[in-house]
Amino acid sequence: QQPVQSPQAVILREGEDAVINCSSSKALYSVHWYRQKHGEAPVFLMILLKGGEQKGHDKISASFNEKKQQSSLYLTASQLSYSGTYFCGTEISGGDMRFGAGTRLTVKP
Amino acid sequence: DGGITQSPKYLFRKEGQNVTLSCEQNLNHDAMYWYRQDPGQGLRLIYYSQIVNDFQKGDIAEGYSVSREKKESFPLTVTSAQKNPTAFYLCASSPGLAAYEQYFGPGTRLTVT
Repeated sequence: QQPVQSPQAVILREGEDAVINCSSSKALYSVHWYRQKHGEAPVFLMILLKGGEQKGHDKISASFNEKKQQSSLYLTASQLSYSGTYFCGTEISGGDMRFGAGTRLTVKP
Repeated sequence: DGGITQSPKYLFRKEGQNVTLSCEQNLNHDAMYWYRQDPGQGLRLIYYSQIVNDFQKGDIAEGYSVSREKKESFPLTVTSAQKNPTAFYLCASSPGLAAYEQYFGPGTRLTVT
């Protein structure tokens, strides 16, 4: 079953912050976050694993609540380059990835 | 340059024909994946493979078939049994199967009329 992302869309001014949420009804092995710009392939941002380990970029942070099967992606001091659609991917078992419908983020000058 | 290539970028077919989408990677990754993306929706997993000659069905495998005869290649066949084949297809690879970042190819946009 696909995870649920919220909000569906958000519009920011440069320098503002945003939080994108991802919720699953199944126990998760890991949570992945990707960003996709229009017409391009998704690009990896971060992985959060059971037990608290994280792998990803320094300027992006995220959290993973294992008990609630929820993850949040925190985008601070947004830049124009942050615009795109953000997807969370939930890994139920090795390789079995389910993606949310995406959150469209628009950053305006 | 290491990466994933998908060809062609755009593909047009008549209804009732099988069509094979190519995916090649030179990253020496063990795992490979196929996803389908429809407008305004997320990615849905079709098939994935951890090693040569082994693959597993994903969420929407019906109407699709794959092969993994070589580590670097993972072609996807969209058969005539797939009811709504028009979509954007993305191939990805990762070093291993569990909890590894996935690297995506540029995608193939398939239109069936």
